Amino acid sequence: EAGVTQFPSHSVIEKGQTVTLRCDPISGHDNLYWYRRVMGKEIKFLLHFVKESKQDESGMPNNRFLAERTGGTYSTLKVQPAELEDSGVYFCASSQVASGKNIQYFGAGTRLSVL
Amino acid sequence: SQQGEEDPQALSIQEGENATMNCSYKTSINNLQWYRQNSGRGLVHLILIRSNEREKHSGRLRVTLDTSKKSSSLLITASRAADTASYFCATYSGGYQKVTFGIGTKLQVIP
Repeated sequence: EAGVTQFPSHSVIEKGQTVTLRCDPISGHDNLYWYRRVMGKEIKFLLHFVKESKQDESGMPNNRFLAERTGGTYSTLKVQPAELEDSGVYFCASSQVASGKNIQYFGAGTRLSVL
Repeated sequence: SQQGEEDPQALSIQEGENATMNCSYKTSINNLQWYRQNSGRGLVHLILIRSNEREKHSGRLRVTLDTSKKSSSLLITASRAADTASYFCATYSGGYQKVTFGIGTKLQVIP
């Protein structure tokens, strides 16, 4: 069974440009999460989808970030326009809540470098 | 201090030694999980301990949880060079299991 996949693995863009990150969760997982790790800091929650609906987007930094999950399958996270402080590693995770556990399975992450 | 804060932030040991990492958190939790991240790779789930459990074992891993002190520890016994990675604790809380991570402990195992 395929794990969580993220694309691209690394993106280098200039300040002011737009970048779109993609996440394909594990098939059948209703929950999809986005996280970000800025260098040297903790991994921070960005938002949570349940199927195609945004359950919690309290971690989204500002309105330059837009996440979508059309059809409840893959998700995209667009940053427009990108700023220097957006650099970091963006992780996606998916899970299927069962029996009080919620093990989130993570992708390899997309390393975003804004120059 | 931050929710899910690991201690130490960096640890260097010789192969064969044991490595102990600690994690403290602030709020009540449903469960606590430890993850590993190898350089350039994603986070890999290692072990889950529920809030009503005190100790859990999985292979060379031993996790303890003290909810009164809001702390957990991860012990890796007989470390190997392949254990070199960053280790994160993550607390799960709330109805939708919101996850909060710490900064992580960077473990280096020297062959």
